[in-house]
Parts: sequence; structure tokens; C-alpha cells
Amino acid sequence: EVQLVESGGGLMKPGGSLSLSCEVSGFIVSSNYMSWVRQAPGKGLEWLSVIYSGGRTYYADSVRGRFTISRDHSNNTLYLQMNNLRAEDTAVYYCARGPTRVINLGMDVWGQGTTVTVSS
Amino acid sequence: EIVLTQSPGTLSLSPGERATLSCRASQSVGSNFLAWYQQKPGQAPRLLISGASSRATGIPDRFSGSGSGTDFTLTISRLEPEDFAVYYCQQYGSSPLYTFGQGTKLEIK
Repeated sequence: EVQLVESGGGLMKPGGSLSLSCEVSGFIVSSNYMSWVRQAPGKGLEWLSVIYSGGRTYYADSVRGRFTISRDHSNNTLYLQMNNLRAEDTAVYYCARGPTRVINLGMDVWGQGTTVTVSS
Repeated sequence: EIVLTQSPGTLSLSPGERATLSCRASQSVGSNFLAWYQQKPGQAPRLLISGASSRATGIPDRFSGSGSGTDFTLTISRLEPEDFAVYYCQQYGSSPLYTFGQGTKLEIK
């Protein structure tokens, strides 16, 4: 079964760090484009970062220099390392497969989300 | 960066009616790299449409996407009770900034 399961969310103080994990089942994480998307309370979706199958990474301006996307082929897991957290980083964080321009496919598999709250 | 503007912000319709949702891009979206998602409260988004008009696996044929360049439309031909949700468009043509629209809430009238 194709599935993504996020974990690692929690309550953090401003300036703190947190690492999110996304365990992948049913496909190989390193063979796919994988993204992180977040949704602040009552707000819309915000794309944050992508890692291509070849390993290149890209970030939204709002998190560049603070967040790092990575993956581990051996345990088929995607990660998001979040440093220097701010109150505005409070959101539900989703991992998703895609989007993939090669086959013109959007984000077709999503995790259930993990909640990050940044507050003093 | 391509900015996507969705309209209307809220659409109030009754089951059985036709829904037309708009997504306008600030620049042309290359090769129609445009997707639509449905999100219900407390759930992750679900992919409906890729490539502006290709339905994702398992999506009912009452959902259809159209458009090109800067103007895109999601149409739901006959609303079912389970279709009332928030809908987002996303462009993935302006690599690597995969921006979303702000969403359209489809509510029961």
C-alpha cells in the first residue's frame, strides 16, 4: 500500500529546532520527487520545499536558510529539519509525493500531517 | 514567482447544481502544469486534476478541469453532498516555486 506517515511535530519555543519525518511505504522515496507543504491554522496551503530524485533541493523564500529537506534511502524516509523556528511556522506540516513535471502529475500521495506549534 | 488567484472566495450552491471555480495565474503556466486539490476539514488535500485537465486515479467524472496559459477552471457538473469542501489550484511549471492559490470554499446553500 502506498502511504506516507509524518511524525515529529510538537510544541517548541521560538528559536528552537525540530525534525520532522515522513515514512514512505509502497514506493522508493529516492526515486521520486518529494515535497513538504504546510497549512497554518485557518489558512491555505503553502509549498515549502522539494527534493528531486536526483537529489537537488529547493525552498520557498519563507523557509530558505532555516529549513533543510533530506531523505534516507535505507529507511525510505523523508525529513524536514527546521531551525530558528518562529511563531509564524505554527502549522500542520504535510509530506507529499510530487509534483512531477516529467509525467505532468501533481502531488498524488499525501501524509496525514503533523502539527508544529511555536510559542513561548 | 507565479501568483495564483482563485475566485470566488466562497461559492454557495445546492446539491445537484453545477460549480465553476476559477484560477488565474499572474504569468503563463508552462505546459499546463496546473493541478487542483480538494481538502475537507481535518483531512489532507486530495489530488483531483493534473495537467489542467487530467483526472487523478479514482476521481469521479463529474470533476473536470480546463484552461491554459493564465486561466484555468475546475467544474463539478452535479454537486454531491461530499463535494462541499475547499478547493486549491497549484502550479508546478515555474520550477521550483510550486505555488498554491488561496483556495475556494464550496459551501452548501
